[in-house]
Amino acid sequence: AQSVTQLDSQVPVFEEAPVELRCNYSSSVSVYLFWYVQYPNQGLQLLLKYLSGSTLVKGINGFEAEFNKSQTSFHLRKPSVHISDTAEYFCAVSDALRTGANNLFFGTGTRLTVIP
Amino acid sequence: DSGVTQTPKHLITATGQRVTLRCSPRSGDLSVYWYQQSLDQGLQFLIQYYNGEERAKGNILERFSAQQFPDLHSELNLSSLELGDSALYFCASSAPGTQYNEQFFGPGTRLTVL
Repeated sequence: AQSVTQLDSQVPVFEEAPVELRCNYSSSVSVYLFWYVQYPNQGLQLLLKYLSGSTLVKGINGFEAEFNKSQTSFHLRKPSVHISDTAEYFCAVSDALRTGANNLFFGTGTRLTVIP
Repeated sequence: DSGVTQTPKHLITATGQRVTLRCSPRSGDLSVYWYQQSLDQGLQFLIQYYNGEERAKGNILERFSAQQFPDLHSELNLSSLELGDSALYFCASSAPGTQYNEQFFGPGTRLTVL
């Protein structure tokens, strides 16, 4: 099975400052990678995904992530955060390329708190 | 709004009881996935159905079962409930196709076992 490690459980950052949320995965085969956001009392919303091609992926709300195969990482970044970015962020991996199954394996989440 | 609906939003029950959670996928989606989000285990994949057939199984307990009906809605049945089953249960759906298709998540059902 795949595994995903989110190194930081909580990240506080001041408004308009840059932020990076770290994600590492373990896999010996090609995978698909995702970042989801969960606002309080809501379901998960896809921020961005890496399936193939360019290693720099741009998503919604100004977020981007870079796929680094050699370091098995997929860190999420935003150059300037807003109060509304306060939420829980989940990194996820799918090994659909190997198994044909579409299910996702999630990390433990990073709570981003934007401080005014 | 993702287009995936889940009922009920909240469910409070006692240990030993049985409950049924319901999910309606987005129009046109054939796949339904169930996930459990708990403080202990985080977000875990439980099971996937595709057009009525079980497609993949994750960390689903034997006390839990699911099915997908001809109208494509799905139900997750949890029986002999224990305190540790208290969690947020998400359903997601995705479109048919050979390439990876994005999963759209419902708002979840919060289950509290007392």
